[in-house]
Amino acid sequence: GENVEQHPSTLSVQEGDSAVIKCTYSDSASNYFPWYKQELGKGPQLIIDIRSNVGEKKDQRIAVTLNKTAKHFSLHITETQPEDSAVYFCAASIAGNQFYFGTGTSLTVIP
Amino acid sequence: DAGVTQSPTHLIKTRGQQVTLRCSPKSGHDTVSWYQQALGQGPQFIFQYYEEEERQRGNFPDRFSGHQFPNYSSELNVNALLLGDSALYLCASSLGRLRVEAFFGQGTRLTVV
Repeated sequence: GENVEQHPSTLSVQEGDSAVIKCTYSDSASNYFPWYKQELGKGPQLIIDIRSNVGEKKDQRIAVTLNKTAKHFSLHITETQPEDSAVYFCAASIAGNQFYFGTGTSLTVIP
Repeated sequence: DAGVTQSPTHLIKTRGQQVTLRCSPKSGHDTVSWYQQALGQGPQFIFQYYEEEERQRGNFPDRFSGHQFPNYSSELNVNALLLGDSALYLCASSLGRLRVEAFFGQGTRLTVV
């Protein structure tokens, strides 16, 4: 089955700096890659996603890039704010099928 | 528009007991998936329900079973609870089996003692 690896496991940045989280996947058939933000005591919140026919997608301060050849995708958060502090999960799936999640990145934005 | 709602939010059970968790999908969504999230880990897929049938199943024993009702709501049942079943159980809903976006509820925190 699919195997998703996520790095780093923890990340601390100063407010206003950028944060980058990277994931790799193993199954070349995977074609949908969502990113979720999970705050303490809450369920995962979909923040951005990308499909395999697109190389990059941006939504305000958040962007995701996908390299199908290398089987890796990344989340970029610019101008970080304290409210960006949370655990971020990447996932990979074949559309309509189960999500395979990474192990999460705990992001701390220092004011 | 109500999102995905799960009940109860917290639950404490004794080893060997049985538990039922409930999920109401986002309005208009007809597909429900269940995930187990152990502390400090990413969610692990349990199974997916669509048209009241289990369509996919992850690597979980038969002690884990589910049901989907005509109104698309769903239940997750776990029998013969083990200490290792302690986790956050998440429900995700989506529209149609081939629609990719999935939205999660807040989860049910199950503690087995």
